Amino acid sequence: NAGVTQTPKFRILKIGQSMTLQCAQDMNHNYMYWYRQDPGMGLKLIYYSVGAGITDKGEVPNGYNVSRSTTEDFPLRLELAAPSQTSVYFCASSYSSGFNRNEKLFFGSGTQLSVL
Amino acid sequence: EDQVTQSPEALRLQEGESSSLNCSYTVSGLRGLFWYRQDPGKGPEFLFTLYSAGEEKEKERLKATLTKKESFLHITAPKPEDSATYLCAVQSVSGGSYIPTFGRGTSLIVHP
Repeated sequence: NAGVTQTPKFRILKIGQSMTLQCAQDMNHNYMYWYRQDPGMGLKLIYYSVGAGITDKGEVPNGYNVSRSTTEDFPLRLELAAPSQTSVYFCASSYSSGFNRNEKLFFGSGTQLSVL
Repeated sequence: EDQVTQSPEALRLQEGESSSLNCSYTVSGLRGLFWYRQDPGKGPEFLFTLYSAGEEKEKERLKATLTKKESFLHITAPKPEDSATYLCAVQSVSGGSYIPTFGRGTSLIVHP
């Protein structure tokens, strides 16, 4: 059971380049999330999805796009990379329903992104 | 808007020196409060969920407690391997999506 898998682990981009951060989970979770973590700033939500075909913005969505065509995959797209997007990105998943209160998040190991 | 404040930002302890981390929160209706542990270079790992005031959960040297306004993570006789960043998150009933809001974390260093 792999849990949440993120690729790549590290990446350096030049300003204006584009890239996709990949995230996959094998736990059949309906909820998936993308967070960014800057030093001393905690986790800030970029986008989330409550199921295949359904996505919504979080606290800091500008400069990012997501899609969720399957339950397993939730890629994060950076179209025009900027230095402000230098951060560590975490993907997470959880199972949530109106009756199930066991809704802890499972996190991937993160992607360290530098935009120079 | 849900708000979560953790204190202190950083804490240095000697091995065996017990202490507590604080997580104060403001939510419209608490569905759950979560504690996570994050080691350097890794994603957060789940520790506890608390649902109602007065609830307590324990795991080895850690005990989490909950009141209507805050949660404490008590660390009894810590060891160097307890060094990590501890994150608190709240999940409210507002909006219907139950998306957790995280605090900034407390960085704990335990010296041998």
